[in-house]
Amino acid sequence: RKEVEQDPGPFNVPEGATVAFNCTYSNSASQSFFWYRQDCRKEPKLLMSVYSSGNEDGRFTAQLNRASQYISLLIRDSKLSDSATYLCAVRAAGNKLTFGGGTRVLVKP
Amino acid sequence: EPEVTQTPSHQVTQMGQEVILRCVPISNHLYFYWYRQILGQKVEFLVSFYNNEISEKSEIFDDQFSVERPDGSNFTLKIRSTKLEDSAMYFCASVDRLQETQYFGPGTRLLVL
Repeated sequence: RKEVEQDPGPFNVPEGATVAFNCTYSNSASQSFFWYRQDCRKEPKLLMSVYSSGNEDGRFTAQLNRASQYISLLIRDSKLSDSATYLCAVRAAGNKLTFGGGTRVLVKP
Repeated sequence: EPEVTQTPSHQVTQMGQEVILRCVPISNHLYFYWYRQILGQKVEFLVSFYNNEISEKSEIFDDQFSVERPDGSNFTLKIRSTKLEDSAMYFCASVDRLQETQYFGPGTRLLVL
């Protein structure tokens, strides 16, 4: 089983719609969880950290399910500018981040 | 807002040549990382660096790779004898003392011919 897995997509989303996708991780000792956004050929940019109680930042909501070992990201009222690849990143002991392969989201007018 | 910078943005080299990729982390950060991303693949951890020494490295980070912090600002990744499979985007990242969010630089696109 891969350490961090994501559905590669693409998720084709009408503008204004809601889209949600998950990321599963295999290491139960994982401590910190993040969603990064990556545009084509650019660096990962932090979208949000994911907290145990779940957290929201504007149109973005992240959830953590430790029992089932997955995190989720929900995007409400999708904008054309939300089109990107969304990377899940997990930190266990030590400081390195382990990334998933990314979920591609395409928001269409 | 402070940011991580990397130079060069692009590098083309011949197989077997040495390359040095440079990074300037955010000034008050203490932990530094190199990651790479082969085209179409996921971001992979290479090495972490703290207090002037390697704290962790991956299987990818073999004897051909080395890291250095030659002065108070720069953080470099050297590949001694490049191989075709070293072609990738190389990202530097830094973290503050609380070891929370890793901030990534814009990357160096390395092409080995």
